[in-house]
Amino acid sequence: QVLLQESGPGLVEPSETLTLICSVSGGTISGYNWNWIRQPPGKGLQWIGRIYYSGTTNYNPSLKSPVTMSVDTSKKQFSLKLNSVTAADTAVYYCARGLPLYDFSTSSTGGGMDVWGQGTSVIVSS
Amino acid sequence: EIVLTQSPGTLSLSPGESATLSCRASPSVSNNYLAWYQQKPGQAPRLLISGASSRASGIPDRFSGSGSGTDFTLSISRLEPEDFAVYYCQQYSSSVTFGPGTKVDIK
Repeated sequence: QVLLQESGPGLVEPSETLTLICSVSGGTISGYNWNWIRQPPGKGLQWIGRIYYSGTTNYNPSLKSPVTMSVDTSKKQFSLKLNSVTAADTAVYYCARGLPLYDFSTSSTGGGMDVWGQGTSVIVSS
Repeated sequence: EIVLTQSPGTLSLSPGESATLSCRASPSVSNNYLAWYQQKPGQAPRLLISGASSRASGIPDRFSGSGSGTDFTLSISRLEPEDFAVYYCQQYSSSVTFGPGTKVDIK
């Protein structure tokens, strides 16, 4: 059973850098893409970006704060750095496993995010 | 950017009834790269449907997805008490975006 666990500071000061880590257990990192999604209090889901095993990244172009993602395959971890945070970055942050676009086991379209971490709450405040 | 619009915003139903949730995309989603998620309060989202119509592992067959292009539907037959939640559609045809969600609550 694949499990994801987010870790990081619960409180970050404005203009600082938020760093979160997602640890993967019970499965492999290769063959999937690894995503960060956030949810401001009382609001919907916003995709932040994803990273592949190879290190290739895709980020949400509408994000205001600069984003960097990295992967450490030896530790089975991937990370998110969000620079110059503001109060608007206050949210629950989730990491999630993204499935390949084609499911060979069922010969059908794949995709979607099938395993999620429990989420970690981040408050941006001085 | 592909914008997803979900309707209705809230659906009030009784257990045993059926639910029909709509997700419209602008511009269209290619290759049926659309997923549906269920989220309960205090929990992470749960993947229900991918590829517009393929149920994820362990998802009951009362959940079904359909549609293509710009119009997609999530249908829930015979609502169980545990089905009352918020449902999001998500496209992964061009980058990734989520719809604003539909809340299914108890009437």
